[in-house]
Amino acid sequence: QQQVKQSPQSLIVQKGGISIINCAYENTAFDYFPWYQQFPGKGPALLIAIRPDVSEKKEGRFTISFNKSAKQFSLHIMDSQPGDSATYFCAASGQGSNYKLTFGKGTLLTVNP
Amino acid sequence: GAVVSQHPSRVICKSGTSVKIECRSLDFQATTMFWYRQFPKQSLMLMATSNEGSKATYEQGVEKDKFLINHASLTLSTLTVTSAHPEDSSFYICSAPGAGSSYNEQFFGPGTRLTVL
Repeated sequence: QQQVKQSPQSLIVQKGGISIINCAYENTAFDYFPWYQQFPGKGPALLIAIRPDVSEKKEGRFTISFNKSAKQFSLHIMDSQPGDSATYFCAASGQGSNYKLTFGKGTLLTVNP
Repeated sequence: GAVVSQHPSRVICKSGTSVKIECRSLDFQATTMFWYRQFPKQSLMLMATSNEGSKATYEQGVEKDKFLINHASLTLSTLTVTSAHPEDSSFYICSAPGAGSSYNEQFFGPGTRLTVL
């Protein structure tokens, strides 16, 4: 049973556009929701993370929106750039699961110049 | 920031041999480390939790005798793939959680590409 569902599987955006990736979770014990960026052949790198006590967090061009009642969270990349082309993974974890991360299946983002 | 390294970054071996992959936390101590496997165009799959001073905890379906994990110190965990076969070819990634209030935050290593011929 997949506990974190991520969509879309792939996304093509023009330079300067907004990229939006969505995730939904099932386990209400999750209390930490990070987004990771991964380039081919590299390990994932933490992009931004949010806890359920806030509905939105912004860091530069990256924003997480969090809806606790709907058990959904999303990543918005403003002014998308070709250098943002990568695979993005949402994840979730909680103290009850010994901080083990449960990952979504990933979204391959392509930003065309 | 916290840095996690892995060695080697890439390894090619013959079927039937064993391969050891090291994961080190360079500027912080980690009593727990996690090992993941990632197949091409797929997500990360947690294989096991490495615990310093005690046995590793394996996820369901992961063979303990095939993937040996040793957490030798507070900064080093090793994954040994024993009697490797072509189906073990994958990208192996380790991570370590931060300390204190940032314990949720996991820092990932750069990964090790294993190719078994």
